[in-house]
Parts: sequence; C-alpha cells; structure tokens
Amino acid sequence: GESVGLHLPTLSVQEGDNSIINCAYSNSASDYFIWYKQESGKGPQFIIDIRSNMDKRQGQRVTVLLNKTVKHLSLQIAATQPGDSAVYFCAENNQAGTALIFGKGTTLSVSS
Amino acid sequence: EAQVTQNPRYLITVTGKKLTVTCSQNMNHEYMSWYRQDPGLGLRQIYYSMNVEVTDKGDVPEGYKVSRKEKRNFPLILESPSPNQTSLYFCASSLRGHVVSGELFFGEGSRLTVL
Repeated sequence: GESVGLHLPTLSVQEGDNSIINCAYSNSASDYFIWYKQESGKGPQFIIDIRSNMDKRQGQRVTVLLNKTVKHLSLQIAATQPGDSAVYFCAENNQAGTALIFGKGTTLSVSS
Repeated sequence: EAQVTQNPRYLITVTGKKLTVTCSQNMNHEYMSWYRQDPGLGLRQIYYSMNVEVTDKGDVPEGYKVSRKEKRNFPLILESPSPNQTSLYFCASSLRGHVVSGELFFGEGSRLTVL
C-alpha cells in the first residue's frame, strides 16, 4: 500500500547548524513530493516540492533531495533558526492524484 | 489576502448533536479537501472535491458528509458525532482539480471534541 514515513520523530539542533530531515516512501509510482512545515496551532504550510524527474531542488535556505532508487526524500535546512522549530511532514501524491499521503512528521527543535 | 478559512476553530459538543464545520477559500481554487490529524496517525483525507458538485470519499469518510454547491465553500458535516471523531480538522484547497498540479493550501484547523 501507499505509505510515507519518517526516520526520526524528533530532531534537536543548535541555531546556525544545518538540519537534515529524512523521509522514506513506499510507492515507487509516486511522481510528486512535498515538504510541509506545521507550527504549533497552525495548519501545514508548503515549503518546497519536487517531481520525480528531478533529484534535487533548492529554495531559500532549503534543499530537497530525492533518491528514487531507495525511495528516500530529505529536506535540508541551512543555518537553522529558532523560527524553524516546527513539525515537518513529507507527503506524496496518491496514485489517483486525488490526495497527498502524509508521513507522521518530525519535530525539529532549535536551541539558541 | 489569499487564505482558507475554517469555522469554528474550537468546538466542544456532545455525542449525536449534528454539527457543521465551514470552509471557505478566496483563491478560486477548483480542488478542496478535508483532512483529520490525530496523534500517531498523521493527516488522513476524509473527503475531497475536484470542482463544484463533484465530491468523493477519501481514506476515512465514515461518519462525515460534505457538499460543494459553490466553488469557494466546502462544509464538513457530522450528522451524529461520536467520541472517535474528536480530532483536529483541516480544510485545504489547490488551484487545479489534481493535486499534482500544485501545492495544497491549508486552513488554520478546527479542533473538535465530542463528549
């Protein structure tokens, strides 16, 4: 079946460090992946997406890497700031393209 | 400001008392969806709508109804709420009728407690 999971439920880093959040997915037919950030009391917020015909995409301070061979997705955050503290979800489209399938989330804690 | 607005944000109700959670988006999006978020289970899709008058079940539709009479509104109806529907609910919308076409915009969430 389709499932998206994360390797670690929590990650603690120091301000200024680079953070790497990992995600494994099971559906090799998925062609679209997204990372979302959810701050306490708010809805998920889009960070960055990547299609399956790419293996890397960069945004402002964030990079998403896609390894289709091992079905692995990662989000790299450069120079992590306290404002980056949140729960991060990876998601993939379902086969019908009618929904995003979300992973369980990784809680990132940034200490200054 | 582009947004997805849900109401109410917080609600405590009792078993069996019908309730509706409203969702409205001002971005002229075709696609709208409802998710519920539970600890340890993540976000799961309840219902979705590709466009006006087109709705379909997601992964966990039992106990819920939806309607899409207008493009901007997508209410979630709990005809007879039960305690297992206590959850955090999110409405989301996307520009085109296929999520692969673009990002999903989420509302701020509605926390529902059923006693």
